[in-house]
Amino acid sequence: AQSVTQLGSHVSVSEGALVLLRCNYSSSVPPYLFWYVQYPNQGLQLLLKYTSAATLVKGINGFEAEFKKSETSFHLTKPSAHMSDAAEYFCAVSYRGSTLGRLYFGRGTQLTVWP
Amino acid sequence: EPEVTQTPSHQVTQMGQEVILRCVPISNHLYFYWYRQILGQKVEFLVSFYNNEISEKSEIFDDQFSVERPDGSNFTLKIRSTKLEDSAMYFCASSETGSNTGELFFGEGSRLTVL
Repeated sequence: AQSVTQLGSHVSVSEGALVLLRCNYSSSVPPYLFWYVQYPNQGLQLLLKYTSAATLVKGINGFEAEFKKSETSFHLTKPSAHMSDAAEYFCAVSYRGSTLGRLYFGRGTQLTVWP
Repeated sequence: EPEVTQTPSHQVTQMGQEVILRCVPISNHLYFYWYRQILGQKVEFLVSFYNNEISEKSEIFDDQFSVERPDGSNFTLKIRSTKLEDSAMYFCASSETGSNTGELFFGEGSRLTVL
């Protein structure tokens, strides 16, 4: 069964600190992996995606994520948090051969950035 | 920048009533989706729609649900007789390519509260 686990429903960091949001997936075949962000009162917006090219993926707003097959992980990082990064972050996967556009989401991680 | 728009942003209804949630996808997109998120739970796939027919539906999408593209711009989700457990945030999404690696563009969501 496909599943995505995001460790930590809430993460708090100080402005300028490292952001690390964790995501693990379960699949015998490496899936396609995505991080979406939802700012207050807005829709989900794609931050970055892994589609079997480079394992280190850079996205918008200074975020990046590394696909580690051995750990079945796709953690999201940003070296220095900014107040504007406060939002909810969703990890999602899709699978080769599954319905086009069918994503399996994690529960989301709410990121709070303290001044 | 083109965006997916959803109406209403919030709807409160009595159990057993019919509800229609509306979405205007991005104009050149061909693939349309509904997802939902019950409070505190994961974002879940409901249905995908292409070429005026359902491509796939999840086990959640039972006979109480239907989707329609009544004209060239709107994409609607109808819940025939709402139940308490239908209370959730409903997200519409669209994509241009329908690829498993493609980006889904999400609307801001419609919050449905069933009393």
